[in-house]
Amino acid sequence: DQQVKQNSPSLSVQEGRISILNCDYTNSMFDYFLWYKKYPAEGPTFLISISSIKDKNEDGRFTVFLNKSAKHLSLHIVPSQPGDSAVYFCAASASGSARQLTFGSGTQLTVLP
Amino acid sequence: NAGVTQTPKFQVLKTGQSMTLQCAQDMNHEYMSWYRQDPGMGLRLIHYSVGAGITDQGEVPNGYNVSRSTTEDFPLRLLSAAPSQTSVYFCASRGGANNQPQHFGDGTRLSIL
Repeated sequence: DQQVKQNSPSLSVQEGRISILNCDYTNSMFDYFLWYKKYPAEGPTFLISISSIKDKNEDGRFTVFLNKSAKHLSLHIVPSQPGDSAVYFCAASASGSARQLTFGSGTQLTVLP
Repeated sequence: NAGVTQTPKFQVLKTGQSMTLQCAQDMNHEYMSWYRQDPGMGLRLIHYSVGAGITDQGEVPNGYNVSRSTTEDFPLRLLSAAPSQTSVYFCASRGGANNQPQHFGDGTRLSIL
């Protein structure tokens, strides 16, 4: 049973508009969440993270929102750029587990010029 | 700064053959891990290590062995390759402090015929 779910395999948005990528989790022990971006033939690269003590974290064009009661997080990209086209993975970890990451299945974002 | 280096980038094996996927990091990171990425399934943890001489199993450890004799290196061994092990393999490392993001290598694409 997947503990971290990304239910949208793909998402297309116009350049300059907002991209919203969603992620749901089931394990209530998760207390640290990350987003990774992956280009073809490369490894995932860290994008942004959020601790469960916060509900929002911003870094430039990227904002992650966490709704603990709904066990839901989202990544907002504003404005979207063609270079943002990539697969985005949501990941979660719990304390006391050597911070092992549990990944979602990914969402392919395509930003159209 | 090389970061996490994986070799080889591509490999084709026959069923029953053995091989070792190499992973090295130059960031003096304590934590290293191996993942496999399969279509529609995200990244799944195979084995991980919290320091030299210490290894543990992840979500999908069967058919794989690891060792950690130095801080820098964390090789993954396939003992008797099976077609189900056809995948893209990623090695990652992070510092010992909690909530540090993992840094990934560019992956090894492995095909078992």
